[in-house]
Amino acid sequence: EVQLVESGGGVVRPGGSLRLSCAASGFTFDDFGMSWVRHAPGKGLEWVSGINWNGDTTHYADSVKGRFTISRDNAKNSLYLQMSSLRAEDTAFYYCAKNYGDPDYWGQGTLVTVSS
Amino acid sequence: DIQMTQSPSAMSASVGDRVTITCRASQGINNYLAWFQQKPGKPPKRLIYAASSLQSGVPSRFSGSGSGTEFTLTISSLQPEDFATYYCLQHNSYPPTFGQGTKVEIK
Repeated sequence: EVQLVESGGGVVRPGGSLRLSCAASGFTFDDFGMSWVRHAPGKGLEWVSGINWNGDTTHYADSVKGRFTISRDNAKNSLYLQMSSLRAEDTAFYYCAKNYGDPDYWGQGTLVTVSS
Repeated sequence: DIQMTQSPSAMSASVGDRVTITCRASQGINNYLAWFQQKPGKPPKRLIYAASSLQSGVPSRFSGSGSGTEFTLTISSLQPEDFATYYCLQHNSYPPTFGQGTKVEIK
């Protein structure tokens, strides 16, 4: 059974940084690209970033480009999202998802709140 | 970026109704389209991939169709557990983009 468990969310001040992690199990992690998708309160879904199987190809939404960095550690079956220069509009549930552009399995999400 | 225009944004329907949701892409996306269902407090669940392929375990009352720029999600007979928000997603080009969502509510 595919399992994706996010961690690292919390409350952070504007301009601050946070690192999200996602622990994957139930599939061969290094066979698949991975994604982060977010859902802000009262808004729709937004694809944030994706990374290919070995980490040498990444993409970002324009809204986070230059501020967020996606990475992975295949030895640890883990996906990461380093977020910096956080803004109020980055407040959202952040989901880790299997597959690069068409997520088929999702974690339960971790809440990031950017507030002073 | 490719814009995905989903309609309607909200609708009221009764159990047993046939429901149709449309997604229009700002340019051709071949069949690189998926449909997701999301309930409050839960992660999205993929229903349809490659425009018309049913995700394993998803009831057959859900179906998808279309290609190019026009796509449709159909629920043949709405069930109580189907009241939720539905999103389309294109992944023909990066970044992948979602429609704005369709909230299906009980009439």
